[in-house]
Amino acid sequence: EIVLTQSPGTLSVSPGDRATLSCRASQIVSGNFLAWYQQKPGQAPRLLIYGASSRAIGIPDRFTGSGSATEFILTISRVEPGDFAVYYCQQYDRLSSVWTFGQGTKVEVK
Amino acid sequence: QVRLLESGPGLVKPSETLFLTCTVSGASVSTANYYWSWIRQPPGQSLEWIGSVFYSGRTIYSPSLRSRFTMSLDRSQNQVSLTLTSVTAADTAVYYCARAPAPYVPGSSGYYFDYWGQGTLATVSS
Repeated sequence: EIVLTQSPGTLSVSPGDRATLSCRASQIVSGNFLAWYQQKPGQAPRLLIYGASSRAIGIPDRFTGSGSATEFILTISRVEPGDFAVYYCQQYDRLSSVWTFGQGTKVEVK
Repeated sequence: QVRLLESGPGLVKPSETLFLTCTVSGASVSTANYYWSWIRQPPGQSLEWIGSVFYSGRTIYSPSLRSRFTMSLDRSQNQVSLTLTSVTAADTAVYYCARAPAPYVPGSSGYYFDYWGQGTLATVSS
């Protein structure tokens, strides 16, 4: 089973700062089946990025996904007040037909 | 607009069976090339994929959870169901229903969860 490790666990930033979140896979994520989600307290996760770098409908362009193979990055170019939340990466392993999530990165106000 | 709405008993006693239902509107569970999935989140923890049922009815389960979970489609009610047997306190979580497109859906690279329900909390306690 592919394990996703996200870092840092908590990222403290000020509004207007750039935020860089990392997701490392224990094996190559074939097909770049890697997605990112944002979750605010009491809410369901919201899809931000799929296919490692494609923005979901309605997601502002300050959110950028990049990377391939085992190293993936979510960048928030200029953090806005509504961006403080927990972010999860998720992959699908085509060989085993298993979905897995990372443990999350909390983006908090500095 | 695709909407998913989970429902369940809220409180279940240890060793009993938990039944959850996801009612889908704005889409059909029989539409080709979509997976209907259950994901859970224990309090304060990360997300855990439980399993998915393809539009054809084929099911896939997490290898670590497979033995106690059963998923199925009710096409007449446009619902997805989840059954969990022999529950323990470790099964206390918010349970989400979500949809994932297969990669051959136009405009999709596949295997991500594009629509989620609001979640339903299931608490296991005597």
